[in-house]
Amino acid sequence: QSVLTQPPSVSAAPGQKVTISCSGSSSNIGNNYVSWYQQLPGTAPKLLMYENNKRPSGIPDRFSGSKSGTSVTLGITGLQTGDEADYYCGTWDSSLSAGVFGGGTKVTVL
Amino acid sequence: EVQLLESGGRLVQRGESLRLSCAASGFTFSSYAMTWVRQSPGKGLEWVSSITISGDKTHYGDSVKGRFTVSRDNSKNTLYLQMNSLRAEDTAIYYCAKYADTGRWADFDYWGQGTLVTVSS
Repeated sequence: QSVLTQPPSVSAAPGQKVTISCSGSSSNIGNNYVSWYQQLPGTAPKLLMYENNKRPSGIPDRFSGSKSGTSVTLGITGLQTGDEADYYCGTWDSSLSAGVFGGGTKVTVL
Repeated sequence: EVQLLESGGRLVQRGESLRLSCAASGFTFSSYAMTWVRQSPGKGLEWVSSITISGDKTHYGDSVKGRFTVSRDNSKNTLYLQMNSLRAEDTAIYYCAKYADTGRWADFDYWGQGTLVTVSS
């Protein structure tokens, strides 16, 4: 059972938009920045978003992040087949004094 | 080009020890904190351990605390993970990752390809 809660899967047709939620508490998301990772099949995770809504160099603006209270959301617009991957949120939990990840969300392009 | 190359993963018996290495290149290793993250087969990501730039401070996830030790040799640009009293549940791909310039946990901008540790019961 992950400290951060993500939906197991989301799907949409090519060109459409998907959103992935990540829900936590005041000890983690509520008071710390959140990062998002994309993990393509058989590869290492890749930093997709940091400080809730900042994209590292090279990440297209089809990817966006937002935060509200103790939840964050990753949005992907103009969905492409290459976006099929597992997506993870992660942050520090001040109460646990530990880094925590969400359970991951599998994005499927229909 | 930043590169992180893990090594040392193999099949071991329950209770045995193993040391993983992560060779870094393409950046000033001694200027960045580093971390280990693992992923059990078909499962999600789990933070294992982090170490500060100088190695003076280390942090561990509860599941490995007291059994695993992270260290680094800045003269060799190498990160280590000493794993003792291995359990079946430690079976996973172990990734090393570099902290981004923010220095904040969860901002890991480069990852290795991972090394597989299998613990047989």
